[in-house]
Parts: sequence; C-alpha cells; structure tokens
Amino acid sequence: AQSVTQLDSQVPVFEEAPVELRCNYSSSVSVYLFWYVQYPNQGLQLLLKYLSGSTLVKGINGFEAEFNKSQTSFHLRKPSVHISDTAEYFCAVRKSGGGADGLTFGKGTHLIIQP
Amino acid sequence: GAVVSQHPSWVICKSGTSVKIECRSLDFQATTMFWYRQFPKQSLMLMATSNEGSKATYEQGVEKDKFLINHASLTLSTLTVTSAHPEDSSFYICSARVYGLNTEAFFGQGTRLTVV
Repeated sequence: AQSVTQLDSQVPVFEEAPVELRCNYSSSVSVYLFWYVQYPNQGLQLLLKYLSGSTLVKGINGFEAEFNKSQTSFHLRKPSVHISDTAEYFCAVRKSGGGADGLTFGKGTHLIIQP
Repeated sequence: GAVVSQHPSWVICKSGTSVKIECRSLDFQATTMFWYRQFPKQSLMLMATSNEGSKATYEQGVEKDKFLINHASLTLSTLTVTSAHPEDSSFYICSARVYGLNTEAFFGQGTRLTVV
C-alpha cells in the first residue's frame, strides 16, 4: 500500500512570489507520482507527473516538481505565482506499471495567493 | 487532452431514493474507470475500480450493495447510490484511463450529491 503526506494544509503566498508545496510518500514498491489542481466544485486537472527518467519534471502553468527517491519526496514549485493559481493542490501516487490501480491522494494543500 | 464527462454536475434527492451518476470518456476508450468520493475540504478516497465487462473491485469499507457500479462499455461507467441517506451526501468524481496507456487517468468534473 502507498500513502501520501502533504505537510501543509494551507500556504499563503504573495502574488509574484515563489512557492513550494511539499509532498512526501511512502511505498514498498516503485510508484508513479502526480500533482493535480482542483478549483472549487470542479474535477481534477493534471499539472505534471513523474513516471521515470529525469527527476525534474515540468508541467503546465509554469509548475515543476522534483522527484527525490532518497527523501521520498515530490515537491511542487513555481517561481512566480499569480492570483489565478489560488486552488487546492493534490499530490498522488500509484503503483508503477500497467496495472489497474487507482490513485492514493494526499490531503491537499490550499494555495492562497495574496495581492 | 482526453475528456471525461460526468452527469449530472449536481443532484438533490430525497432520503431513501436512488441516484445514478454517469461517467463518459468522450474521445477515447477507457478500459478502466475509477470512482472517488470527496468530503468537504478533504482528499479524494478511492471507492472502486471498474473494468469494462467485469465486476467492479471495491475498496475496503465501501458497501458494494449500496454503491452499484456498472461499466458496460469502453466509454461509459455508472455509479448508482441506492437508498441514499444524508450521510451519502458528498462530491463524487470519476476518472478514466486511456486504453493502452496505463499511466495517466483523466478526471470528470465531479457530481455534488445532496440527500435531504
């Protein structure tokens, strides 16, 4: 089984400042890692994913994340945030490979952008 | 990107009645669909995994007789909440995995169920 810990339930940041949302995972097998964004009363949109290869992954909307196997982390970063980035962000994992496994989500981090 | 559509977006029903939620993959074939439940300000919890043409696999603690899942085609899965009660009120989200591409699943926009 896998588990995901998002250490910060809420992160307030000023507009145009950098931000990092932390994610740590636990798993006895190799995993794929994902970051999703959710706007109020909507589904989830994929920001980026790590499957294999380069540990620095670039996604949409200027976000990037770095996979650190030794620290079992997959922190999300953006160098300069915008008001429109205000949303809930979820880190998720699933067992690697082609099996029909669902995602295990962290509890989410609410990113609040202050003008 | 691939599109997953859920219907309805929100529904209010009376206690004791049943409600059906549809999840469709609009532009791809999905061998596997997933159903999640999200309580207010909480994370998504996987309820069940549905493979086309076979019975759904339910997560521990999820009542299969209460949450009926049907995945009759490669583009449609349904979740029926039977004999709904106020505690079933929640946000239900489906996701679908592209046939032959077993890495990424796409999410529907969710269904807000309120049982009164």
